[in-house]
Amino acid sequence: GAVVSQHPSWVICKSGTSVKIECRSLDFQATTMFWYRQFPKQSLMLMATSNEGSKATYEQGVEKDKFLINHASLTLSTLTVTSAHPEDSSFYICSAPLAGVAEETQYFGPGTRLLVL
Amino acid sequence: AQSVTQPDIHITVSEGASLELRCNYSYGATPYLFWYVQSPGQGLQLLLKYFSGDTLVQGIKGFEAEFKRSQSSFNLRKPSVHWSDAAEYFCAVGAPGGFKTIFGAGTRLFVKA
Repeated sequence: GAVVSQHPSWVICKSGTSVKIECRSLDFQATTMFWYRQFPKQSLMLMATSNEGSKATYEQGVEKDKFLINHASLTLSTLTVTSAHPEDSSFYICSAPLAGVAEETQYFGPGTRLLVL
Repeated sequence: AQSVTQPDIHITVSEGASLELRCNYSYGATPYLFWYVQSPGQGLQLLLKYFSGDTLVQGIKGFEAEFKRSQSSFNLRKPSVHWSDAAEYFCAVGAPGGFKTIFGAGTRLFVKA
């Protein structure tokens, strides 16, 4: 089946630094990818839709300048948390739909755990 | 607007007992419906999905779900729970053609011996 990977799986950084998280579709192309964040014991909240070759679409309340998204190729989307602060600590999950089939199914990455000290 | 409600924050069942996790959705037409499971610190695994057709959907690990349009529900069931089923379960809704998936708050399942 389709596989989505994320790198790194976990990262610890100092407050004020920037962190880049990669999301890759390993065996299929994805013109669209989605980024979610999940706080402990809470649900996944959609942050933004990453569009290959164009600007990302952010959900209401998500800071565009804080969470930079780049969808440089059909298999890679990156999320950069700029000037990270402790409140940005969270579990970030990406997903990609397997387009071109009759049934739309999202494939989720394993997630990246970010801890900002 | 789309929304998903999982009324039970957590549920505890005995191993071997049956399980039903509730899910209600709000959507103007028939949505795509999903159930995912997440083990601690892990990503999401798709249990089953409903797009159209038979309203009783079979999934992996012995789970099934029934779509009831009149009740706007998509409850997840399993006849006999195993200790390894302890996890967080998310119901989700997606719009046809839109790909975007909206998740419910989740239900944490505890299994007691």
